[in-house]
Amino acid sequence: AQTVTQSQPEMSVQEAETVTLSCTYDTSESDYYLFWYKQPPSRQMILVIRQEAYKQQNATENRFSVNFQKAAKSFSLKISDSQLGDAAMYFCAYKRVGSQGNLIFGKGTKLSVKP
Amino acid sequence: DSGVTQTPKHLITATGQRVTLRCSPRSGDLSVYWYQQSLDQGLQFLIQYYNGEERAKGNILERFSAQQFPDLHSELNLSSLELGDSALYFCASSALGRDEQFFGPGTRLTVL
Repeated sequence: AQTVTQSQPEMSVQEAETVTLSCTYDTSESDYYLFWYKQPPSRQMILVIRQEAYKQQNATENRFSVNFQKAAKSFSLKISDSQLGDAAMYFCAYKRVGSQGNLIFGKGTKLSVKP
Repeated sequence: DSGVTQTPKHLITATGQRVTLRCSPRSGDLSVYWYQQSLDQGLQFLIQYYNGEERAKGNILERFSAQQFPDLHSELNLSSLELGDSALYFCASSALGRDEQFFGPGTRLTVL
């Protein structure tokens, strides 16, 4: 069974600085998707970024980028120029390819941003 | 705003009762997923429907059931409620051929 591990329960970053959140996963499949979701205090789950396993190029969305290391089964999220609004829980998620497939989530990392 | 709507936002009920949570997916999305978020279990997948048919089942209790209607909205029915069922219940939807899922705002269920 696939598993997702986020080893950092809490992280803190200074406003305007860069922070990296870690995620590792376990799967025997060669093709899959990985996601980062943000959950602010409002509790809404917001999709931040996605990565297809077959793509070697790391995904980027504005200030958010990932470091995808397929062989190491590692998928970290880098937030550049951190803003107060980035403070939230961040969840790493795995999904098998295909329409039949749910997200498997890690336990999350709580990110605090200091002004 | 993801385009996925859920009602009600909050629900407070007593043990042994039955409740229904409602979800409307994004326009055009055929797949609906239900997830439960609790402090001890984290985010857990419950069940998926695709165009009215059950597609996948996760850690869904027998006391829980769901369905997806012809207009594609979905309902999650929780019965014989226990204190441990208190959680945030999310609905998510995805488009045909797409793997990213978009979440609704959730329904917070409190069982007293």
